[in-house]
Amino acid sequence: DAGITQSPRHKVTETGTPVTLRCHQTENHRYMYWYRQDPGHGLRLIHYSYGVKDTDKGEVSDGYSVSRSKTEDFLLTLESATSSQTSVYFCAIGPGGGTEQFFGPGTRLTVL
Amino acid sequence: GDSVTQMEGPVTLSEEAFLTINCTYTATGYPSLFWYVQYPGEGLQLLLKATKADDKGSNKGFEATYRKETTSFHLEKGSVQVSDSAVYFCALSDNYGQNFVFGPGTRLSVLP
Repeated sequence: DAGITQSPRHKVTETGTPVTLRCHQTENHRYMYWYRQDPGHGLRLIHYSYGVKDTDKGEVSDGYSVSRSKTEDFLLTLESATSSQTSVYFCAIGPGGGTEQFFGPGTRLTVL
Repeated sequence: GDSVTQMEGPVTLSEEAFLTINCTYTATGYPSLFWYVQYPGEGLQLLLKATKADDKGSNKGFEATYRKETTSFHLEKGSVQVSDSAVYFCALSDNYGQNFVFGPGTRLSVLP
Protein backbone atom coordinates (compact mmCIF):
# COMPACT_ATOMS: atom_id res chain seq x y z
CA ASP A 1 0.00 0.00 0.00
CA ALA A 2 1.09 3.55 -0.71
CA GLY A 3 2.38 5.44 2.30
CA ILE A 4 -0.33 7.99 2.80
CA THR A 5 -1.88 9.17 6.05
CA GLN A 6 -4.57 11.67 6.91
CA SER A 7 -5.13 13.58 10.13
CA PRO A 8 -7.34 13.88 11.98
CA ARG A 9 -9.40 10.80 11.13
CA HIS A 10 -12.51 12.23 12.75
CA LYS A 11 -13.46 15.77 13.63
CA VAL A 12 -16.57 17.49 14.91
CA THR A 13 -16.65 21.26 14.71
CA GLU A 14 -19.09 24.13 14.77
CA THR A 15 -20.30 26.33 11.95
CA GLY A 16 -18.01 29.29 11.33
CA THR A 17 -14.84 27.78 12.75
CA PRO A 18 -11.72 27.21 10.64
CA VAL A 19 -10.65 23.62 10.02
CA THR A 20 -7.44 22.22 8.54
CA LEU A 21 -7.03 18.67 7.33
CA ARG A 22 -3.61 17.22 6.67
CA CYS A 23 -2.45 14.68 4.12
CA HIS A 24 1.04 13.23 4.43
CA GLN A 25 2.81 10.94 1.96
CA THR A 26 6.07 9.04 2.06
CA GLU A 27 6.03 8.02 -1.63
CA ASN A 28 7.43 11.23 -3.13
CA HIS A 29 4.62 11.39 -5.69
CA ARG A 30 4.26 14.61 -7.64
CA TYR A 31 0.47 14.84 -7.59
CA MET A 32 -1.74 15.13 -4.53
CA TYR A 33 -5.53 15.49 -4.51
CA TRP A 34 -8.35 16.28 -2.12
CA TYR A 35 -11.80 14.74 -2.72
CA ARG A 36 -15.02 14.75 -0.80
CA GLN A 37 -17.40 11.80 -0.80
CA ASP A 38 -21.10 12.28 -0.20
CA PRO A 39 -24.07 9.95 -0.65
CA GLY A 40 -25.60 10.50 -4.06
CA HIS A 41 -22.65 12.52 -5.32
CA GLY A 42 -19.84 10.00 -5.38
CA LEU A 43 -16.31 11.37 -5.30
CA ARG A 44 -15.79 15.00 -6.20
CA LEU A 45 -12.45 16.72 -6.66
CA ILE A 46 -11.88 19.78 -4.47
CA HIS A 47 -8.30 20.81 -5.28
CA TYR A 48 -5.15 19.18 -6.51
CA SER A 49 -1.44 19.89 -6.53
CA TYR A 50 1.12 19.10 -9.20
CA GLY A 51 4.17 20.21 -7.23
CA VAL A 52 5.34 22.28 -4.29
CA LYS A 53 3.36 25.54 -4.27
CA ASP A 54 1.56 24.46 -7.49
CA THR A 55 -2.16 23.92 -6.99
CA ASP A 56 -5.36 24.14 -9.00
CA LYS A 57 -9.09 23.99 -8.42
CA GLY A 58 -11.36 21.03 -8.87
CA GLU A 59 -15.10 20.95 -9.46
CA VAL A 60 -16.16 21.85 -5.89
CA SER A 61 -13.48 24.27 -4.69
CA ASP A 62 -15.69 27.04 -3.27
CA GLY A 63 -15.15 27.43 0.48
CA TYR A 64 -11.86 25.50 0.44
CA SER A 65 -8.22 26.46 0.13
CA VAL A 66 -5.09 24.33 -0.05
CA SER A 67 -1.38 24.65 0.47
CA ARG A 68 1.62 22.53 -0.34
CA SER A 69 4.89 23.82 1.07
CA LYS A 70 6.63 20.42 1.01
CA THR A 71 6.37 17.48 -1.36
CA GLU A 72 5.03 15.24 1.37
CA ASP A 73 2.29 17.45 2.84
CA PHE A 74 -0.93 18.78 1.35
CA LEU A 75 -3.24 20.79 3.59
CA LEU A 76 -6.94 21.42 3.04
CA THR A 77 -8.45 24.39 4.89
CA LEU A 78 -12.06 25.29 5.42
CA GLU A 79 -11.80 28.97 6.31
CA SER A 80 -15.27 29.09 7.89
CA ALA A 81 -16.91 25.69 8.06
CA THR A 82 -20.56 25.26 7.06
CA SER A 83 -22.93 22.35 7.56
CA SER A 84 -22.81 21.65 3.81
CA GLN A 85 -19.14 20.75 4.26
CA THR A 86 -20.03 17.80 6.48
CA SER A 87 -18.52 14.96 4.49
CA VAL A 88 -15.82 12.34 4.27
CA TYR A 89 -12.63 13.79 2.85
CA PHE A 90 -10.10 11.67 1.01
CA CYS A 91 -6.58 12.54 0.03
CA ALA A 92 -5.01 10.78 -2.94
CA ILE A 93 -1.50 10.73 -4.41
CA GLY A 94 -0.02 9.64 -7.68
CA PRO A 95 2.78 10.14 -10.19
CA GLY A 96 0.43 11.60 -12.83
CA GLY A 97 0.70 10.94 -16.53
CA GLY A 98 -2.41 8.78 -16.72
CA THR A 99 -1.37 6.44 -13.93
CA GLU A 100 -3.37 5.39 -10.90
CA GLN A 101 -4.07 7.32 -7.72
CA PHE A 102 -3.60 5.90 -4.24
CA PHE A 103 -6.02 6.89 -1.52
CA GLY A 104 -5.68 7.66 2.14
CA PRO A 105 -8.02 6.29 4.82
CA GLY A 106 -10.23 9.39 4.89
CA THR A 107 -11.29 12.02 7.42
CA ARG A 108 -14.88 12.15 8.60
CA LEU A 109 -15.79 15.80 9.26
CA THR A 110 -19.02 16.84 10.92
CA VAL A 111 -19.97 20.52 11.04
CA LEU A 112 -22.72 21.25 13.55
CA GLY B 1 -15.94 16.62 -20.85
CA ASP B 2 -14.87 13.15 -19.85
CA SER B 3 -17.39 11.01 -17.98
CA VAL B 4 -17.92 7.52 -16.58
CA THR B 5 -21.25 5.74 -16.32
CA GLN B 6 -21.77 2.60 -14.29
CA MET B 7 -24.73 0.65 -12.97
CA GLU B 8 -25.48 2.07 -9.56
CA GLY B 9 -27.01 -0.96 -7.95
CA PRO B 10 -27.23 -2.10 -5.29
CA VAL B 11 -26.35 -5.51 -6.66
CA THR B 12 -27.17 -8.48 -4.47
CA LEU B 13 -25.77 -11.92 -5.28
CA SER B 14 -25.45 -15.27 -3.61
CA GLU B 15 -22.01 -16.61 -2.81
CA GLU B 16 -20.32 -18.28 -5.83
CA ALA B 17 -22.52 -16.40 -8.32
CA PHE B 18 -21.06 -14.72 -11.42
CA LEU B 19 -20.57 -10.96 -11.19
CA THR B 20 -20.73 -8.33 -13.91
CA ILE B 21 -20.68 -4.60 -13.19
CA ASN B 22 -21.03 -2.53 -16.34
CA CYS B 23 -18.93 0.56 -16.96
CA THR B 24 -18.89 2.79 -20.04
CA TYR B 25 -16.95 5.97 -20.59
CA THR B 26 -16.79 9.09 -22.72
CA ALA B 27 -13.38 10.61 -23.27
CA THR B 28 -11.24 12.37 -25.80
CA GLY B 29 -7.99 10.69 -26.67
CA TYR B 30 -6.93 7.42 -25.11
CA PRO B 31 -7.56 7.35 -21.38
CA SER B 32 -6.34 4.81 -18.86
CA LEU B 33 -9.14 2.88 -17.11
CA PHE B 34 -9.36 1.67 -13.52
CA TRP B 35 -11.54 -0.21 -11.08
CA TYR B 36 -11.35 0.71 -7.42
CA VAL B 37 -12.97 -1.03 -4.44
CA GLN B 38 -14.05 0.59 -1.19
CA TYR B 39 -14.78 -1.50 1.90
CA PRO B 40 -16.89 0.04 4.69
CA GLY B 41 -15.06 2.76 6.59
CA GLU B 42 -12.01 2.64 4.35
CA GLY B 43 -10.48 4.54 1.46
CA LEU B 44 -10.52 3.40 -2.15
CA GLN B 45 -8.12 0.65 -3.15
CA LEU B 46 -6.96 0.07 -6.70
CA LEU B 47 -8.36 -3.26 -7.89
CA LEU B 48 -7.12 -3.37 -11.49
CA LYS B 49 -6.23 -1.17 -14.42
CA ALA B 50 -5.76 -1.11 -18.21
CA THR B 51 -3.85 1.52 -20.11
CA LYS B 52 -4.65 0.78 -23.77
CA ALA B 53 -7.25 -0.84 -25.97
CA ASP B 54 -7.66 -4.63 -25.60
CA ASP B 55 -5.61 -4.69 -22.39
CA LYS B 56 -7.06 -6.95 -19.71
CA GLY B 57 -6.57 -5.99 -16.09
CA SER B 58 -6.90 -8.70 -13.46
CA ASN B 59 -6.50 -9.07 -9.71
CA LYS B 60 -7.96 -11.29 -6.95
CA GLY B 61 -10.16 -13.13 -9.49
CA PHE B 62 -11.59 -9.92 -10.95
CA GLU B 63 -11.08 -9.06 -14.61
CA ALA B 64 -11.91 -6.19 -16.96
CA THR B 65 -11.03 -5.65 -20.63
CA TYR B 66 -10.51 -2.21 -22.21
CA ARG B 67 -12.90 -2.16 -25.19
CA LYS B 68 -12.34 0.93 -27.27
CA GLU B 69 -14.96 0.05 -29.88
CA THR B 70 -17.72 -0.05 -27.25
CA THR B 71 -16.03 2.42 -24.84
CA SER B 72 -16.51 -0.08 -22.03
CA PHE B 73 -14.56 -1.58 -19.13
CA HIS B 74 -16.92 -4.08 -17.49
CA LEU B 75 -15.84 -5.74 -14.25
CA GLU B 76 -16.33 -9.51 -13.95
CA LYS B 77 -15.67 -12.24 -11.42
CA GLY B 78 -16.54 -15.88 -11.89
CA SER B 79 -17.43 -16.73 -8.29
CA VAL B 80 -18.02 -14.01 -5.70
CA GLN B 81 -17.46 -14.40 -1.98
CA VAL B 82 -19.06 -12.70 1.00
CA SER B 83 -15.78 -10.82 1.48
CA ASP B 84 -16.27 -9.14 -1.93
CA SER B 85 -19.14 -7.09 -0.51
CA ALA B 86 -18.08 -3.48 -1.08
CA VAL B 87 -18.60 -0.47 -3.35
CA TYR B 88 -16.87 -0.65 -6.74
CA PHE B 89 -15.85 2.46 -8.68
CA CYS B 90 -14.95 2.66 -12.35
CA ALA B 91 -12.61 5.53 -13.24
CA LEU B 92 -10.61 6.99 -16.08
CA SER B 93 -7.55 9.17 -16.29
CA ASP B 94 -6.33 11.23 -19.18
CA ASN B 95 -2.70 10.89 -20.12
CA TYR B 96 -1.72 14.07 -18.30
CA GLY B 97 -2.98 12.87 -14.93
CA GLN B 98 -4.84 16.08 -14.20
CA ASN B 99 -8.27 14.76 -15.02
CA PHE B 100 -9.30 11.68 -13.03
CA VAL B 101 -13.01 10.95 -13.38
CA PHE B 102 -14.92 8.48 -11.19
CA GLY B 103 -18.22 6.77 -11.79
CA PRO B 104 -20.90 6.94 -9.07
CA GLY B 105 -20.00 3.57 -7.59
CA THR B 106 -21.87 0.25 -7.45
CA ARG B 107 -22.66 -1.33 -4.10
CA LEU B 108 -22.30 -5.12 -4.12
CA SER B 109 -23.73 -7.32 -1.39
CA VAL B 110 -22.90 -11.02 -1.41
CA LEU B 111 -25.08 -13.25 0.72
CA PRO B 112 -23.89 -16.57 2.18
